Amino acid sequence: QQQVKQSPQSLIVQKGGISIINCAYENTAFDYFPWYQQFPGKGPALLIAIRPDVSEKKEGRFTISFNKSAKQFSLHIMDSQPGDSATYFCAASNEAGAGSYQLTFGKGTKLSVIP
Amino acid sequence: ETGVTQSPTHLIKTRGQQVTLRCSSQSGHNTVSWYQQALGQGPQFIFQYYREEENGRGNFPPRFSGLQFPNYSSELNVNALELDDSALYLCASSFINEQFFGPGTRLTVL
Repeated sequence: QQQVKQSPQSLIVQKGGISIINCAYENTAFDYFPWYQQFPGKGPALLIAIRPDVSEKKEGRFTISFNKSAKQFSLHIMDSQPGDSATYFCAASNEAGAGSYQLTFGKGTKLSVIP
Repeated sequence: ETGVTQSPTHLIKTRGQQVTLRCSSQSGHNTVSWYQQALGQGPQFIFQYYREEENGRGNFPPRFSGLQFPNYSSELNVNALELDDSALYLCASSFINEQFFGPGTRLTVL
């Protein structure tokens, strides 16, 4: 079964610190790796995504690092703020046939940024 | 805001009943996917619709079915509801593989 393993399950970071969330995957056919941010009672919001042909992508305070040989990728949140407190999901997808792309999600990381 | 809307916001049903959830996709998006998110878990893929046909299905039984309409909006139907069907049901619209989620419908089965 396709799996994406995410760690840690929860994370507490001081304001201004760096939050790091890690994911590992098994299926080498995955070719798109997004991160989603979800607040309570809301749907997941696309934060940043990467393809395996690059090792790093940065958008503002958010950076994805990608290690294709290790089949791992991570999200770094620089200068973490209390407003970043949310649940973060990594995901992976590939074309499952005839233009069908299904996302396989990790189990999520609950991030709390304390002042 | 993604432009993806879902209705209703909340729904309470009893075991054995049937339910229909609705989704309007973001303008320009021709593909709709449905996901089930149990409490404290990541979303699980149910199925995807493209050009009004099912175009990929996850590990869900046939009592989960769907429709996509010519305007790309979609419905998720669940028959013979079970207690374990209680979850947040998410719709995502996409063009190719970048998926944008709606706010979800919280279904409670009693």
